[in-house]
Amino acid sequence: DQQVKQNSPSLSVQEGRISILNCDYTNSMFDYFLWYKKYPAEGPTFLISISSIKDKNEDGRFTVFLNKSAKHLSLHIVPSQPGDSAVYFCAAGSADSWGKLQFGAGTQVVVTP
Amino acid sequence: GAVVSQHPSWVICKSGTSVKIECRSLDFQATTMFWYRQFPKQSLMLMATSNEGSKATYEQGVEKDKFLINHASLTLSTLTVTSAHPEDSSFYICSARSGFPSGANVLTFGAGSRLTVL
Repeated sequence: DQQVKQNSPSLSVQEGRISILNCDYTNSMFDYFLWYKKYPAEGPTFLISISSIKDKNEDGRFTVFLNKSAKHLSLHIVPSQPGDSAVYFCAAGSADSWGKLQFGAGTQVVVTP
Repeated sequence: GAVVSQHPSWVICKSGTSVKIECRSLDFQATTMFWYRQFPKQSLMLMATSNEGSKATYEQGVEKDKFLINHASLTLSTLTVTSAHPEDSSFYICSARSGFPSGANVLTFGAGSRLTVL
């Protein structure tokens, strides 16, 4: 049963504009959420995370928003750059089983010049 | 930063043979590593938690006799796919906790190993 879902398999955005990636989850026991970025033939690299006690976390061009009542989080990238073109994975975990993450299927982002 | 190395990155084998994949933490020690599996266009699925010096903990539905995990040192975990069959063809990725204070809840992933069983 897929506990973390990314319903948009792909997203195309113009350079300089905002990229918004969405993620939904079903397990209310998740304590933290992470976004990973993956280039072809490489492993996922950590982007940004958010604890369940917060509703927003910002790091440079990346901001993650968490809506616990809706079991929804989103990643905003602004402004988008061509180097942001990659697959983005949403992941979630709980503190009592740290490191055991549930991943979404990923969203392929393409940033066009 | 923390680096996790996987080897081999690509392996092709005949059905019935066993394949070993290594996961190494290059500049840090990892008491716990995690093995994931990814089918095309699907999410990474956790297979097992590898614990240094003790038995691995497998997720439900993962055959422990099929996927042998050994975590013999603080920098190396191995996954052996025994008697591999075409349905085992997949992308296998390991991860390890870097232990850096600022990344307490961050895992470092290897680049993955693509297994193709003929």
